Amino acid sequence: GAGVSQSPSNKVTEKGKDVELRCDPISGHTALYWYRQSLGQGLEFLIYFQGNSAPDKSGLPSDRFSAERTGGSVSTLTIQRTQQEDSAVYLCASSLYRGPIEAFFGQGTRLTVV
Amino acid sequence: DQQVKQNSPSLSVQEGRISILNCDYTNSMFDYFLWYKKYPAEGPTFLISISSIKDKNEDGRFTVFLNKSAKHLSLHIVPSQPGDSAVYFCAARAGGTSYGKLTFGQGTILTVHP
Repeated sequence: GAGVSQSPSNKVTEKGKDVELRCDPISGHTALYWYRQSLGQGLEFLIYFQGNSAPDKSGLPSDRFSAERTGGSVSTLTIQRTQQEDSAVYLCASSLYRGPIEAFFGQGTRLTVV
Repeated sequence: DQQVKQNSPSLSVQEGRISILNCDYTNSMFDYFLWYKKYPAEGPTFLISISSIKDKNEDGRFTVFLNKSAKHLSLHIVPSQPGDSAVYFCAARAGGTSYGKLTFGQGTILTVHP
C-alpha cells in the first residue's frame, strides 16, 4: 500500500482480555517500529524489527507484551491480560533503511481497556 | 528520566511570522535528530532531520538548528501558515545498539492564527 496501515483503528477491550494489533508497513521497508502514546505523553518506544528479527525490544513494558514480524512485512503486537494502564494509542512505523531515519508512521490503534 | 524535553507545551503565532520550537536533550550519545508534525487522529509525519555533525539543515520553510554544546535544537518555520497548526515532536537517536530507537519529547502544540 501507499502508507503504513494499522488495524483496528479503535479497540475497546475488557480488563484481562488479550488483544492483537496489526501493522502493515510500506512495501519494501525493512525496518519496523512500535511506539505508544499515552494521554498527554510523548511517544514511547516499544520494539524495533529489522527484517523478521527484533534487535531492540527494550521498550516492551512487561512480559505481557510481545510482537512478531513475519515475511519481513506484517507485524503483530500482542498484549496479554490487558490492564487499564495499557490504554494508549499504539503507533507503528516503517523505514526503508536500517534505523528510524525518516520513518513513516501509521495512523495508530487507539486501545481502551475498560 | 526525560532525555528529550520540549519545555513549551504550546506556542501561538500570527500567520506570516516566524515560529520557533525548542528542544533540549541530555544524552550526549544522540547522533541524529528529527522533527515530526502530528495532526489529531493521524500518525506523526516526518518533517526534517539533522545529523550531529551539522549545525543547520534547511528544507523550504523549515530550518533546524543544532547547538551541540548546549544540547539544544530548534525548528524554525518561516513564514508560518495556518495549516502548520499541529503538535510538533522532536526526537533523537543514539548510535550503537540503540540505533533503531527514537526518543521523543512530549510535544509542543503550535497554533498559527490567520
